[in-house]
Amino acid sequence: NAGVTQTPKFRVLKTGQSMTLLCAQDMNHEYMYWYRQDPGMGLRLIHYSVGEGTTAKGEVPDGYNVSRLKKQNFLLGLESAAPSQTSVYFCASSPRVAGVRVYNEQFFGPGTRLTVL
Amino acid sequence: GEDVEQSLFLSVREGDSSVINCTYTDSSSTYLYWYKQEPGAGLQLLTYIFSNMDMKQDQRLTVLLNKKDKHLSLRIADTQTGDSAIYFCADGGSGSSNTGKLIFGQGTTLQVKP
Repeated sequence: NAGVTQTPKFRVLKTGQSMTLLCAQDMNHEYMYWYRQDPGMGLRLIHYSVGEGTTAKGEVPDGYNVSRLKKQNFLLGLESAAPSQTSVYFCASSPRVAGVRVYNEQFFGPGTRLTVL
Repeated sequence: GEDVEQSLFLSVREGDSSVINCTYTDSSSTYLYWYKQEPGAGLQLLTYIFSNMDMKQDQRLTVLLNKKDKHLSLRIADTQTGDSAIYFCADGGSGSSNTGKLIFGQGTTLQVKP
């Protein structure tokens, strides 16, 4: 099993350009997440999905869009990149959880390092 | 909203013990996690503790949980240079949202000097 994979690994964009980051998981997980990691800020949740065809906003959704057309894929789009979106982006997935007092380990991809000039 | 706080940096000598601390605000949290991020890589689960436990030991790792003070710590015994990484504390919340969301701290960079 490859686990969670992310494409591309690195990318440099100019301000105003658009791009899509692809996340794929082969663990049949229901839930998927996109985070950004910035120094001293930890991981901040951008968007997440609890199933195919559903998405929801996280903590820092502005400037990003997502789609979950297939269960195994979660796409993160930047329509008009800004220098403030320079960051390392991580995708994660986890199995469905239900009810209270549940164990919800997330499995992470290797990250995409994005620079916006 | 709920929050998780960690100090940003810890430096120790090889062979010493390392203690990384974390505080959280959600009193209904059920599982709390420690993730490790090695340079240039994604996060991997290191260990976790359930809220009805005070302590959990796993080889060189000891997790202590003080629910009253909402304080979590990770102790690494006999710290090695290979332990140099960023360590994230994460709060799983109560689970009632059925989203699997975790709230992460800022991450503590552990530097191990030979």
